[in-house]
Amino acid sequence: AQTVTQSQPEMSVQEAETVTLSCTYDTSESDYYLFWYKQPPSRQMILVIRQEAYKQQNATENRFSVNFQKAAKSFSLKISDSQLGDAAMYFCAYTGTASKLTFGTGTRLQVTL
Amino acid sequence: GAGVSQSPSNKVTEKGKDVELRCDPISGHTALYWYRQSLGQGLEFLIYFQGNSAPDKSGLPSDRFSAERTGGSVSTLTIQRTQQEDSAVYLCASSVHRGSEQYFGPGTRLTVT
Repeated sequence: AQTVTQSQPEMSVQEAETVTLSCTYDTSESDYYLFWYKQPPSRQMILVIRQEAYKQQNATENRFSVNFQKAAKSFSLKISDSQLGDAAMYFCAYTGTASKLTFGTGTRLQVTL
Repeated sequence: GAGVSQSPSNKVTEKGKDVELRCDPISGHTALYWYRQSLGQGLEFLIYFQGNSAPDKSGLPSDRFSAERTGGSVSTLTIQRTQQEDSAVYLCASSVHRGSEQYFGPGTRLTVT
């Protein structure tokens, strides 16, 4: 079975600074996708970024980028120029042949002035 | 366009009663998923519908849980004889196809008293 591990329950970053959230996963599949989702207090899960395992190039979406290390099974999220609106729970998620998402336990990100 | 919608937003029910939760996916999305989010268990997959294929029910925690998807669109998750441990937020998501990003609804918060 696939597992996703987020080892940082909470992180804090100052506004305008950069923060990196960690995620590791375990799988024996070769074809899979990885995601980062953001969940603010409104509880709406919002897709932040998506990475296909077969692509070596790291995905980027504006201030959000990932460091995908396939051999190490690592998928970290970097948030640049942090904003107050980035404060939320961030979930790393995996999907493979089973189609369902397997989530990590989440990292709560605080953004301070 | 319209996103995934869920109703009700909140539901309080007495232990032993049956409840129905509704999900309206994004138009044109063939895949529909139900997840449960609780403090103790995190985010768990419940069930997955893909087109006219038999659903993947591997995540349903007991036979008190069932779901159907009518006409390839709206889905209803039914919990019979609710228990206090069923209290959670129930999230619905849809995607264009397997591996594509899943878009989530706002969830239904179920409280069993």
